[in-house]
Formats: sequence, structure tokens, C-alpha cells
Amino acid sequence: GENVEQHPSTLSVQEGDSAVIKCTYSDSASNYFPWYKQELGKRPQLIIDIRSNVGEKKDQRIAVTLNKTAKHFSLHITETQPEDSAVYFCAARLSGGYQKVTFGTGTKLQVIP
Amino acid sequence: DGGITQSPKYLFRKEGQNVTLSCEQNLNHDAMYWYRQDPGQGLRLIYYSQIVNDFQKGDIAEGYSVSREKKESFPLTVTSAQKNPTAFYLCASSIPHDREGQPQHFGDGTRLSIL
Repeated sequence: GENVEQHPSTLSVQEGDSAVIKCTYSDSASNYFPWYKQELGKRPQLIIDIRSNVGEKKDQRIAVTLNKTAKHFSLHITETQPEDSAVYFCAARLSGGYQKVTFGTGTKLQVIP
Repeated sequence: DGGITQSPKYLFRKEGQNVTLSCEQNLNHDAMYWYRQDPGQGLRLIYYSQIVNDFQKGDIAEGYSVSREKKESFPLTVTSAQKNPTAFYLCASSIPHDREGQPQHFGDGTRLSIL
């Protein structure tokens, strides 16, 4: 099955700086890579996703890059704000029929004002 | 307002007791999922259902059971066979995955503790 590793487990940045979270996956057949943000005690919410037919996707201050050859994908948050503080999860899904989504172990991001 | 509703928010279980966590969605999604969240371990899949009257075990199904009698509802029972049930339980739904992946929509979770 798929295995997703996520780093770092914790990340502290100054407000206004950029934050980068990296994930690697094991199965080259994976074709869908969502990122979720979970604030303390709340539900995970999708913030951005990317499919294997593109290398980069941006949404305002958030971007995701995908390197299929190296089997890794990254989340980039620019101009960080205190409200970006949360736990971020990456995930990967194998292509073809129903395949479950495998989540990374999460990165706790703290943005220091 | 469409969404997923989980209840209760907090639940306490006594030794030897079965407890049921409720999950209801009005998003008209066919697929529903149950995850368990422990600190530092991310989300682990317990059970999933692609359609009414059908469900499949996930990675950590032992000690849990589910039913899917209605499209809107996917209750999870934590049985007495689950020896370490203390965790945060999240229910999710999505359009069924086919060739393309689909984002999952999550409920607010139920925190289960042992008395």
C-alpha cells in the first residue's frame, strides 16, 4: 500500500516569513494529493489539492508543487499570518477505481507575531 | 447549509461497554469514511463505504463496526473489543473516488475517553 512521510513535525516561523512543508509518497501510481489544515479542536479542511498531471498549483498565498519523478510534493505558504497557525496534513491517493487516501502524520505550524 | 454533523462532541465509555458515534451528512455524497486521530499519528482509516449497504474495512478496523442503511448516515460502534479507544474520531464524506481523487469533507469530530 501507499506510505506517506511528512516533514517537519513542527515548524515555527516569524509572521511574514514563508513556510514549507514536505511530503514523500511511496507508490508511483498515486495521482491525487490534497492538503488539509486543522485548527485546534476543529475539523480538517481542504486548503489545496493537486493532481498528477500538473506540477504546481497556486491559490493566493498557498502553493503546492509536485515532483512525480522524486515522488514528493510540498506545501508553500508565503507571507505567513498568525491565523495560519494550525496542523497541516498531506495525503496521497492511488489511481484506479476506489483507492483510499493515505495521510501524513501532520506538521504543527506556529506563526510568531 | 450543507455539511457533516457528528454527535456527540464528547463521549465517555465504561469498561466492557459498546458506544456508537453518529455521523450524518446532507451533501448527497455516496462515499463516507471513519478515521481515528491520535497525537503524532495523523489520520488512520477505520472503515469506509462507497455506497449504501456496502462498507469495507480500513487499516485499523479491529474492535469497530459500522452500518450504512441510509445514504445520509454512517454510524460507528466502538465495541468492548477495542482495548484502547481513547482518541479523536472523525467522519468524512466525498463524491466516490473513481479515476480522479476527490476531496473529503470532515465533521467536527467526537472525542472518546475511557471512564
